Amino acid sequence: GAVVSQHPSRVICKSGTSVKIECRSLDFQATTMFWYRQFPKQSLMLMATSNEGSKATYEQGVEKDKFLINHASLTLSTLTVTSAHPEDSSFYICSAIELAGVPSTDTQYFGPGTRLTVL
Amino acid sequence: AQSVAQPEDQVNVAEGNPLTVKCTYSVSGNPYLFWYVQYPNRGLQFLLKYITGDNLVKGSYGFEAEFNKSQTSFHLKKPSALVSDSALYFCAVRERGSYIPTFGRGTSLIVHP
Repeated sequence: GAVVSQHPSRVICKSGTSVKIECRSLDFQATTMFWYRQFPKQSLMLMATSNEGSKATYEQGVEKDKFLINHASLTLSTLTVTSAHPEDSSFYICSAIELAGVPSTDTQYFGPGTRLTVL
Repeated sequence: AQSVAQPEDQVNVAEGNPLTVKCTYSVSGNPYLFWYVQYPNRGLQFLLKYITGDNLVKGSYGFEAEFNKSQTSFHLKKPSALVSDSALYFCAVRERGSYIPTFGRGTSLIVHP
């Protein structure tokens, strides 16, 4: 099956610093990548949808200037949490949809997640 | 608008017994339905999906799900539970033509030895 990687898997940073999380599709080209945030024992909250070469579409209530998303290629999307604060601490998960096949039926494949802790 | 409900926060089952994790959905038109499993501090792993065709869908690790259009349900089942099946399970629904699924809140499955 398709594999999506995330790096780093865990990051601890000081308040006010910026953190970049990478999401890569390893064995397929992804037209669309998604960024989710998950709080403990809760469901996934979609933050934004990114398409290669275009600006990300952010969900309502998500600050685009705080959560910068770049989808530079068909295999890489990055999420940068700028000026991180303790309330940004969370589990961030990316997912990707494979380019080939029938787009409307394609399966989302998820990365392993990144645990961000802001001190 | 699409929505999905997982009515149980937690399901407890003894090892070797059959398990069911419930999911109901609401969409305009015909749905695409998915089940994912999440182990602690991990991302979601795809289990199975229903797109069209047979109502009974077989997936990974011996899991299956039955699409029931009249009851708008897509319950996840396994004939014989394993302790290693203990995890968080998410049901998701997507309308045709949309890339963006809606996830349920998740059901914690606990399989007791």
